[in-house]
Amino acid sequence: AQSVTQLGSHVSVSEGALVLLRCNYSSSVPPYLFWYVQYPNQGLQLLLKYTTGATLVKGINGFEAEFKKSETSFHLTKPSAHMSDAAEYFCAVSLNTGGFKTIFGAGTRLFVKA
Amino acid sequence: NAGVMQNPRHLVRRRGQEARLRCSPMKGHSHVYWYRQLPEEGLKFMVYLQKENIIDESGMPKERFSAEFPKEGPSILRIQQVVRGDSAAYFCASSPGASTYEQYFGPGTRLTVT
Repeated sequence: AQSVTQLGSHVSVSEGALVLLRCNYSSSVPPYLFWYVQYPNQGLQLLLKYTTGATLVKGINGFEAEFKKSETSFHLTKPSAHMSDAAEYFCAVSLNTGGFKTIFGAGTRLFVKA
Repeated sequence: NAGVMQNPRHLVRRRGQEARLRCSPMKGHSHVYWYRQLPEEGLKFMVYLQKENIIDESGMPKERFSAEFPKEGPSILRIQQVVRGDSAAYFCASSPGASTYEQYFGPGTRLTVT
């Protein structure tokens, strides 16, 4: 069965520090991988996605993620955290089941300290 | 080009009442997905619909929940005889076709059962 595991339900970093949010997946077929951000009481906004091709993908707001097939990982990074990055982040995998059902991780809440 | 619309944004129901949640997909999109987010959890897939067809309802609870996407009008997620455990945020996403992995999310409907 396909699944997504996000390590760490809460991550706290100082402003200006590196952000690293971990995501591992299991999938029997090549996955499409996504990172979404959710601000309080709002919907999901797509940060970035991996489908095929280059394994390092760049997204909005300075975030990037690297697909590592051998490690079944898709960790999200940002070199320097801003206060505005404080939010919930979800890693997700889309599977073609005759339509693309998306499986989400449990989420990681990012706190940014001044 | 308006995004995915959901209404109401907030809905309060007493136990035993019915809840109707509406989702209007993006213009040109004929595929709709419903997800549920329980407090402090990630999103869980519920159902995938095309116009007038339910394609995958593997995530729908067996009782009290139903969904439709008529030829005209929005998709409706209906919850009969609501219970406190139904309190959650319900998100709708749309895509233009079955072969399209990218889904666009609405802002969600937050259901509170008192």
